[in-house]
Amino acid sequence: AQSVTQLGSHVSVSEGALVLLRCNYSSSVPPYLFWYVQYPNQGLQLLLKYTTGATLVKGINGFEAEFKKSETSFHLTKPSAHMSDAAEYFCAVGGYTGNQFYFGTGTSLTVIP
Amino acid sequence: DTGVSQNPRHKITKRGQNVTFRCDPISEHNRLYWYRQTLGQGPEFLTYFQNEAQLEKSRLLSDRFSAERPKGSFSTLEIQRTEQGDSAMYLCASSLDPTKLIADTQYFGPGTRLTVL
Repeated sequence: AQSVTQLGSHVSVSEGALVLLRCNYSSSVPPYLFWYVQYPNQGLQLLLKYTTGATLVKGINGFEAEFKKSETSFHLTKPSAHMSDAAEYFCAVGGYTGNQFYFGTGTSLTVIP
Repeated sequence: DTGVSQNPRHKITKRGQNVTFRCDPISEHNRLYWYRQTLGQGPEFLTYFQNEAQLEKSRLLSDRFSAERPKGSFSTLEIQRTEQGDSAMYLCASSLDPTKLIADTQYFGPGTRLTVL
């Protein structure tokens, strides 16, 4: 079965500091990877995705992620945190039969002024 | 493109009652997905449709759960004889073009929050 592990259910950073949210996946075939953000009482919004090609993927709001097959990782980063980045972040893996997505348990990001 | 919409946004019901949720996908999207999200967890896949065909339903949580997409447009998710454990956020997502070999992006609606008393 496919699985996604997000290390750290809660991450706190100071405004202006580096954001690093970790995601590791288990897969027997090359996956397609996604990061979604969820603000309170809202649905999930796509931040970025990796399907093929360049392993460093840039997304919206200054976020980026790097696919490292050897480490089965897809960590999300942002050089400088903003207060508006406070939200829940989910890593997901997809591309399997039926295009089902498998989500991690999420990381809640707090940005400290 | 108005995005994926879901109604109602909130539903409070008493245990044993039936509830039905509606999802309207992005208009040109062929695929529609239902997920359940409980507190502190990521979304959990339930079922999906390609046009009006329900291609995967083995992940529905019990036979009390059923979904339809009769005309390949909107979809409904019904829970019969609700239980307190059904309390969760129910998310709908849609995606385009199932013929592509790579994963399509799933666009999510705002969800329906169900509370079973």
